[in-house]
Amino acid sequence: AQSVSQHNHHVILSEAASLELGCNYSYGGTVNLFWYVQYPGQHLQLLLKYFSGDPLVKGIKGFEAEFIKSKFSFNLRKPSVQWSDTAEYFCAVTPTGTASKLTFGTGTRLQVTL
Amino acid sequence: DTGVSQDPRHKITKRGQNVTFRCDPISEHNRLYWYRQTLGQGPEFLTYFQNEAQLEKSRLLSDRFSAERPKGSFSTLEIQRTEQGDSAMYLCASSWDFSGYNEQFFGPGTRLTVL
Repeated sequence: AQSVSQHNHHVILSEAASLELGCNYSYGGTVNLFWYVQYPGQHLQLLLKYFSGDPLVKGIKGFEAEFIKSKFSFNLRKPSVQWSDTAEYFCAVTPTGTASKLTFGTGTRLQVTL
Repeated sequence: DTGVSQDPRHKITKRGQNVTFRCDPISEHNRLYWYRQTLGQGPEFLTYFQNEAQLEKSRLLSDRFSAERPKGSFSTLEIQRTEQGDSAMYLCASSWDFSGYNEQFFGPGTRLTVL
């Protein structure tokens, strides 16, 4: 069975600081990877996804993530955060080709201060 | 709004009562998923349907839980004899399965509080 680890539970940054949130997964085969974001009071929204091809994927709102297969990692980055990026971020994985359940990490709460 | 909708958004019940939640997926989506999220945790998979067929159930889904998707459109999740440990946010998601690629769209959730 697959699992996902997000080691940063709570991150506090000032506006304009750079962001990197860690995500590592455990699974023996090929995977599809996702980052979801949950803004305060809102539902989960897809930020970006990796299915195949270029391991550097770009998502909405200036976010990007890099899939490093050898490290089983899919870290989320943003060069300059905004106050509006304050939210909870979840990394998720599903085995390729199954189109089945997502396995989520425990999430990282990002707080951006002015 | 053509996203995933869930009803009710909040439910408060007493221990031992039965509750039922409804999920309406995005209309052209053939897959529907139920997840549960507790405070400080990521969503945990409960079950999913392809059209009306229930294809997988998590071990988290005890005998008190049942889910249906009778016509391959909306789905219901029923919890019988609720317990305080059932208090959580219940999330529904839907997707269109093509060649195994699966982008799931989530609804706003139903927050259940069991007193």
